[in-house]
Amino acid sequence: DQQVKQNSPSLSVQEGRISILNCDYTNSMFDYFLWYKKYPAEGPTFLISISSIKDKNEDGRFTVFLNKSAKHLSLHIVPSQPGDSAVYFCAASFDQTGANNLFFGTGTRLTVIP
Amino acid sequence: DTAVSQTPKYLVTQMGNDKSIKCEQNLGHDTMYWYKQDSKKFLKIMFSYNNKELIINETVPNRFSPKSPDKAHLNLHINSLELGDSAVYFCASSQSESTDTQYFGPGTRLTVL
Repeated sequence: DQQVKQNSPSLSVQEGRISILNCDYTNSMFDYFLWYKKYPAEGPTFLISISSIKDKNEDGRFTVFLNKSAKHLSLHIVPSQPGDSAVYFCAASFDQTGANNLFFGTGTRLTVIP
Repeated sequence: DTAVSQTPKYLVTQMGNDKSIKCEQNLGHDTMYWYKQDSKKFLKIMFSYNNKELIINETVPNRFSPKSPDKAHLNLHINSLELGDSAVYFCASSQSESTDTQYFGPGTRLTVL
């Protein structure tokens, strides 16, 4: 009963192009969503988040879009750089206070080809 | 049918106590992990086991001792709990140590008083 799903295990993109990573969730009570980036043998590091009152949040080359009616969020990276190559996890929580635990997706490996 | 389960989900205990957190996966995966989430920003990898063998052991106090009785279980035992041990601990599993896809458990929120 995976409540947060990343259906694409991998994605390859040319350097300079846009990378779009997708995430779907099943629980409509989720109110806060996060993206993490993970390198081998390390833990996931927070990248960007979005609250359910917004549909877009931007931070430099990274933009997260939220479609609550579709229970879908996506992470856009523009332009993609080789250093962006990593595994990306999306996560969801019932609020952003930190009082509730995170539910993680299974990750998508992004490879940016120089 | 839960893929990766952790017990307990919440644990409140006094400083100095010894406690265990259990993790089980029913996916038939070979590799299991323990992460500590100190803040929203970062999950620190603590241990990784592959087929019951330790493959990653990051710099954590030796009060933390993982135990893997079989490849479906990776338990975390913590001796002499300290205030700084308060955190959410996540267990995860993957098909192998080279597989990117990881299934996370729901987390165990440990509070040390």
